[in-house]
Amino acid sequence: EVQLVQSGAEVKKPGEFLKISCKGSGYRFSNYYIAWVRQMPGKGLEWMGIIFPGDSDTRYSPSFQGQVTISADTSINTAYLHWSSLKASDTAMYYCARQGSAVVSPSDYWGQGTLVTVSS
Amino acid sequence: DIQLTQSPSSLSASVGDRVTITCQASHDITNFLNWYQQKPGKAPKLLLYGASSLKTGVPSRFSGSGSGTHFSFTISSLQPEDIATYYCQQYDDLPLTFGGGTKVEIK
Repeated sequence: EVQLVQSGAEVKKPGEFLKISCKGSGYRFSNYYIAWVRQMPGKGLEWMGIIFPGDSDTRYSPSFQGQVTISADTSINTAYLHWSSLKASDTAMYYCARQGSAVVSPSDYWGQGTLVTVSS
Repeated sequence: DIQLTQSPSSLSASVGDRVTITCQASHDITNFLNWYQQKPGKAPKLLLYGASSLKTGVPSRFSGSGSGTHFSFTISSLQPEDIATYYCQQYDDLPLTFGGGTKVEIK
């Protein structure tokens, strides 16, 4: 059974570093893109970027380029989303999703989401 | 970026009603369109891909059609468990983009 399990909710202060994770199981992790999707409170879905764990090919939406970093560790089947300096506007739910073996493809399995709250 | 315009943004219908949502793309995306369902407090779930292909296990009351720039999503007979927000997403080009969502409620 394909599963994506994300790390728990985080409460941080502006300016702090944060790294959240997404662990895949039930499939060959290296062979499928992992996407990250933001959902701000009460708002819609925003595609942030993707990584192909097998070769670390990473693409970002222009809206998120330079704001976050996506990485992956195939030895532990885990993808990451990290911020070097959080802002209050980063408060949102963040989902990871398996996006298939092509760089443009549907997201067929999703993690449960990680709620990030940034407040002074 | 390819923009997706979904309408309506919300609707209220009775159990058993036929419900249709539309999604218009700013560029020709052939049939590279997905539909997702997001129930309150839950992660999105893929229902349809390739504009009209039902993901395995998804009830047949859900369907999709369209190509190019105009797409539609239909629930043939609305059920109480279909209360959710529905999103279209294009996967013709990066960055992938979502429509604004349609919130479906029971009248």
